[in-house]
Amino acid sequence: DAGVIQSPRHEVTEMGQEVTLRCKPISGHNSLFWYRQTMMRGLELLIYFNNNVPIDDSGMPEDRFSAKMPNASFSTLKIQPSEPRDSAVYFCASSLVSEQFFGPGTRLTVL
Amino acid sequence: AQTVTQSQPEMSVQEAETVTLSCTYDTSESDYYLFWYKQPPSRQMILVIRQEAYKQQNATENRFSVNFQKAAKSFSLKISDSQLGDAAMYFCAYRSLDSGGSNYKLTFGKGTLLTVNP
Repeated sequence: DAGVIQSPRHEVTEMGQEVTLRCKPISGHNSLFWYRQTMMRGLELLIYFNNNVPIDDSGMPEDRFSAKMPNASFSTLKIQPSEPRDSAVYFCASSLVSEQFFGPGTRLTVL
Repeated sequence: AQTVTQSQPEMSVQEAETVTLSCTYDTSESDYYLFWYKQPPSRQMILVIRQEAYKQQNATENRFSVNFQKAAKSFSLKISDSQLGDAAMYFCAYRSLDSGGSNYKLTFGKGTLLTVNP
């Protein structure tokens, strides 16, 4: 049974470029979360979807960040334009009841 | 807003020994979930154990058990017979029981880095 799948696993880009992170949640899960992890700020929730609808995006840092969930099996997190301070590990997690199951993360480096 | 505090940035334990990681939280809610996640160097977040606040019995998963003290708002993790593979960052997390809105989010502590010495 596949877990949460994220791609790419690593992304290196230059400042100003657009970055798209992808996530496939566990089949049957109805909630999807995007987190960002940095040394300074720890794990932060960016946005949360329930049944493909964004419920809470209060954690999205600014307008450069956007997230979509066009269907129950796919979500994207886009950063445009990217900045060096966006460098972090981005996790996607999915949930059905109480536990959240995390993907392996995408390590983003913005030069 | 809920807060989760892990007061031990780092801990170490000898292989085969027992170690306890501390976690306290602050909430005005009466029903909620608590979790411990493990993050090894691979950075994968792995769920270790969960506890429902309405259950008095402490959760146990093989060598991992918790000491849940609801009145004290304390949720410690005990690892028995520590193994080298237990070395990781451990995060305590809180989640409201109520559905809807931002109550689904996990609030994480800052983590405790556990080293296991052979």
